[in-house]
Amino acid sequence: KAGVTQTPRYLIKTRGQQVTLSCSPISGHRSVSWYQQTPGQGLQFLFEYFSETQRNKGNFPGRFSGRQFSNSRSEMNVSTLELGDSALYLCASSPGQMNTEAFFGQGTRLTVV
Amino acid sequence: AQSVTQPDIHITVSEGASLELRCNYSYGATPYLFWYVQSPGQGLQLLLKYFSGDTLVQGIKGFEAEFKRSQSSFNLRKPSVHWSDAAEYFCAVVIEANAGKSTFGDGTTLTVKP
Repeated sequence: KAGVTQTPRYLIKTRGQQVTLSCSPISGHRSVSWYQQTPGQGLQFLFEYFSETQRNKGNFPGRFSGRQFSNSRSEMNVSTLELGDSALYLCASSPGQMNTEAFFGQGTRLTVV
Repeated sequence: AQSVTQPDIHITVSEGASLELRCNYSYGATPYLFWYVQSPGQGLQLLLKYFSGDTLVQGIKGFEAEFKRSQSSFNLRKPSVHWSDAAEYFCAVVIEANAGKSTFGDGTTLTVKP
């Protein structure tokens, strides 16, 4: 089985712009979660989608949004980028049941200048 | 809200020495517990997990972890560290009410001396 694929791997954007990141989960997985990783804040949960519905949401401003498609692929969007949004964004997929682990992608490194 | 504490930000051990990384969680019930490893610029790789049953769990790369309910701990151990184990290690918990959300500790960076 192919693993979790995140695209692009690296991205440089300017303050005020918006960005869309993509995540293709492992085949058959219905849950996709997104995390932001920064040196100062560590790994922080953004949101989770299960069968196209947002099931959990972290404490991030409304500039951060996401969606999931019928094939379980997910996108996250950040509007009006700020310098502090520079981070490694990690996507994880799982079957979605309680007693299963999440499998992480390699991440997208976003740099805001 | 649940929380995870990894008390050691940075640990240095000699190659061949034993290793223990600490993890404590705060939650009323027993959560599901995980250890992940991350190499620089990479994603997270699952080392091992605890859902229920035997409190000593075995993982990949020779790692093991022991769940101690009385201490709310899930410490990671390895009897003999290899230079390739140098990385950052994260403990994580998932609670039943939020099946798709992992809460991570701040991580422990492991340096291995030759």
